[in-house]
Amino acid sequence: GAVVSQHPSWVICKSGTSVKIECRSLDFQATTMFWYRQFPKQSLMLMATSNEGSKATYEQGVEKDKFLINHASLTLSTLTVTSAHPEDSSFYICSASEQTHSNQPQHFGDGTRLSIL
Amino acid sequence: SQQGEEDPQALSIQEGENATMNCSYKTSINNLQWYRQNSGRGLVHLILIRSNEREKHSGRLRVTLDTSKKSSSLLITASRAADTASYFCATGSQGAQKLVFGQGTRLTINP
Repeated sequence: GAVVSQHPSWVICKSGTSVKIECRSLDFQATTMFWYRQFPKQSLMLMATSNEGSKATYEQGVEKDKFLINHASLTLSTLTVTSAHPEDSSFYICSASEQTHSNQPQHFGDGTRLSIL
Repeated sequence: SQQGEEDPQALSIQEGENATMNCSYKTSINNLQWYRQNSGRGLVHLILIRSNEREKHSGRLRVTLDTSKKSSSLLITASRAADTASYFCATGSQGAQKLVFGQGTRLTINP
């Protein structure tokens, strides 16, 4: 149980385009979803926390107009990287939780490797 | 910000040996979790230990928590090549939605 599907797993696109990444909870209702960014051989950097039906809460230093997050249903959240540039190239991972507090595990998708040319 | 410090950053051992990874944190927590990440994949939850617990077991995994020292350890016994991965600790605090992840330990099990 507690499966999270993230799509696409890999995307290459030209500089200036926008890229949408989907994160779906397949067998549970994700009250809260999280979006992370990870650089090679480094830890996860939380970008934002989203609760279903509410605006996302962005971490300090993360541009909300650059990284648009939508959590319109209890099973789907999307991250759109707008006007992507090479410096946005990274591994993006989503996770989902059935609860609104941190004393339960997060269930992770398999990540999206984004390469901007 | 990352509040977890993990030690060692990298660990390489022979198959069959035990692997121990340590995690230290700075602020008060209500739980600490360990996750595994295989290369290029997402994280998999391994074990959660609450602040009022001192030790927890799951199969070949043993986790300890010392809140007085603000530290935790993850022991993997009888390691296998398939245990090769990065291991992260993450802390949850009262009233917080998010987890704060440590820097991770890269574990390599040599056959």
